[in-house]
Amino acid sequence: DTAVSQTPKYLVTQMGNDKSIKCEQNLGHDTMYWYKQDSKKFLKIMFSYNNKELIINETVPNRFSPKSPDKAHLNLHINSLELGDSAVYFCASSPRVRSGNTIYFGEGSWLTVV
Amino acid sequence: KNQVEQSPQSLIILEGKNCTLQCNYTVSPFSNLRWYKQDTGRGPVSLTIMTFSENTKSNGRYTATLDADTKQSSLHITASQLSDSASYICVVSAYRGSTLGRLYFGRGTQLTVWP
Repeated sequence: DTAVSQTPKYLVTQMGNDKSIKCEQNLGHDTMYWYKQDSKKFLKIMFSYNNKELIINETVPNRFSPKSPDKAHLNLHINSLELGDSAVYFCASSPRVRSGNTIYFGEGSWLTVV
Repeated sequence: KNQVEQSPQSLIILEGKNCTLQCNYTVSPFSNLRWYKQDTGRGPVSLTIMTFSENTKSNGRYTATLDADTKQSSLHITASQLSDSASYICVVSAYRGSTLGRLYFGRGTQLTVWP
């Protein structure tokens, strides 16, 4: 009965590899997000999708490409991984793109690039 | 520059004691302020959301206050429990009409409750 689930939880990979993190929400929400949390615990938004449409795209390298096959899924694909990509990536969702809506976070995916 | 500053960076208290965490922001125009709790190894969980017109909101032993004039918020935890040990993150949303404005995150206050 997990609300926002993301896989894998842990991922260790070599520089230059391509990897994907999957996210699914069963809350019926219209909006989904990807956040990155660095080693200093600072959360930063990367992307936001509303009904499969990209609405927020912060300054993120082109190596990061989100894919939303339907409004319940938002996957993150990363090409040519670099050491600096090591972080915790959180998927999240909210009912609609409304100012006061609660955002529900997944449990995070720990990515380590070696 | 839109920023959210939290203090203290870390805090250790004994079980049963109260504590107050601070959040100062410069985000403008302001829409709402949220407090999240993030347990180690978990995702953030929402505690409270306050808009401009609200100056206090409670969620169990957690009480958040907001002074929109001085752009300050506090999170007060009453009768702390070991399970309160976590990072508490202040998040301020910029106003963008009825849609979700950009969220600005603080770096969090790491609270440790000792028995």
